[in-house]
Amino acid sequence: AQSVTQLDSQVPVFEEAPVELRCNYSSSVSVYLFWYVQYPNQGLQLLLKYLSGSTLVKGINGFEAEFNKSQTSFHLRKPSVHISDTAEYFCAVTWTAGGGNKLTFGTGTQLKVEL
Amino acid sequence: DADVTQTPRNRITKTGKRIMLECSQTKGHDRMYWYRQDPGLGLRLIYYSFDVKDINKGEISDGYSVSRQAQAKFSLSLESAIPNQTALYFCATSEGQGGNTEAFFGQGTRLTVV
Repeated sequence: AQSVTQLDSQVPVFEEAPVELRCNYSSSVSVYLFWYVQYPNQGLQLLLKYLSGSTLVKGINGFEAEFNKSQTSFHLRKPSVHISDTAEYFCAVTWTAGGGNKLTFGTGTQLKVEL
Repeated sequence: DADVTQTPRNRITKTGKRIMLECSQTKGHDRMYWYRQDPGLGLRLIYYSFDVKDINKGEISDGYSVSRQAQAKFSLSLESAIPNQTALYFCATSEGQGGNTEAFFGQGTRLTVV
């Protein structure tokens, strides 16, 4: 069965420092990978996605992620975080199952940016 | 106006009561989903629908039912609410045949069962 693991439930970081949020997946078939962000009291919105092609994908708000097939990872990075990046971040995967697509989410990583 | 609208946004109900959460969308997508979010567990899929006549169970469908009244409307019901159904519920939509399309989420419904 396919699954997604986010190893860190919470990541505290100082403003303007770099950050990496880790995501590993397990799948016997090809996958599509996503990062979603959830700001307080809001729904989820797409940060970036990997479908095919270049393994380094860039998203909104200066975030980027690198797909590593050999390590089955899709870690999210930002070189310099801002207070406004404080949110919960979810890694997710889809694959074609029975002709449709369903997102499977990791358990989330709470990013807390401090002054 | 939001593309995916959930009502109500907050609800407190008593154990044993029937409750319905509603979702409507203006994105014209065929596919709709209900997720449940619990702290430390991420989002888990309850039910999904690929069109009006297609309803499928997700990983945690026990205790829930759904109705796809129209392409734009997808409702989640708790027939007899219990306290461990206290959670944040999200409706989402997507388009396309494959898994390579973005999902769009509503603002969520915070349900408390007392």
